[in-house]
Amino acid sequence: QKEVEQDPGPLSVPEGAIVSLNCTYSNSAFQYFMWYRQYSRKGPELLMYTYSSGNKEDGRFTAQVDKSSKYISLFIRDSQPSDSATYLCAMRTNAGKSTFGDGTTLTVKP
Amino acid sequence: GAVVSQHPSWVICKSGTSVKIECRSLDFQATTMFWYRQFPKQSLMLMATSNEGSKATYEQGVEKDKFLINHASLTLSTLTVTSAHPEDSSFYICSARLGGNTGELFFGEGSRLTVL
Repeated sequence: QKEVEQDPGPLSVPEGAIVSLNCTYSNSAFQYFMWYRQYSRKGPELLMYTYSSGNKEDGRFTAQVDKSSKYISLFIRDSQPSDSATYLCAMRTNAGKSTFGDGTTLTVKP
Repeated sequence: GAVVSQHPSWVICKSGTSVKIECRSLDFQATTMFWYRQFPKQSLMLMATSNEGSKATYEQGVEKDKFLINHASLTLSTLTVTSAHPEDSSFYICSARLGGNTGELFFGEGSRLTVL
């Protein structure tokens, strides 16, 4: 079983929809949680960085961490075609090594 | 966010030659950089952790003599694919950590290697 599980999709939504992306994990030592966006043939871009449980909002993006359930989410409001990309979740222990999900491919149709 | 520059972004080489990829942190010092390999529609596979001034730490199954890593300064790490073969063709991405173990990770743009 992988330490981090992420539904690969693909996920297709109409423009303006709310998108929910999720990851589950098994390692209770994970303390830091990240979401990255990766466009085709580009490096990942850090979207959200959170520590421990709770919510964090940045513009149209909201990251949610539920450590009791070992579950993290990224919500995208008012989705745009430019949001079409692969979204990777990542988690890290205090020791510093990151573990990535396999990524969810999102397409936002105009 | 912090900027990590990777060069070249695209390289084609003949089988048997060596290719060097550079990873630079442009606006911060990075004692630790990471090298990944990514196959199409798959996630990032960590190859090695590059530490400034010391030997890199390779993940299990990664040939250290095949993938030479040098981290000579706080802003530059290089990955050299030696005696490249077609199966080495892939997307190679570096990242640099801002701060210590809890710092954010920023990625380069990636380098696509095609070995003919």
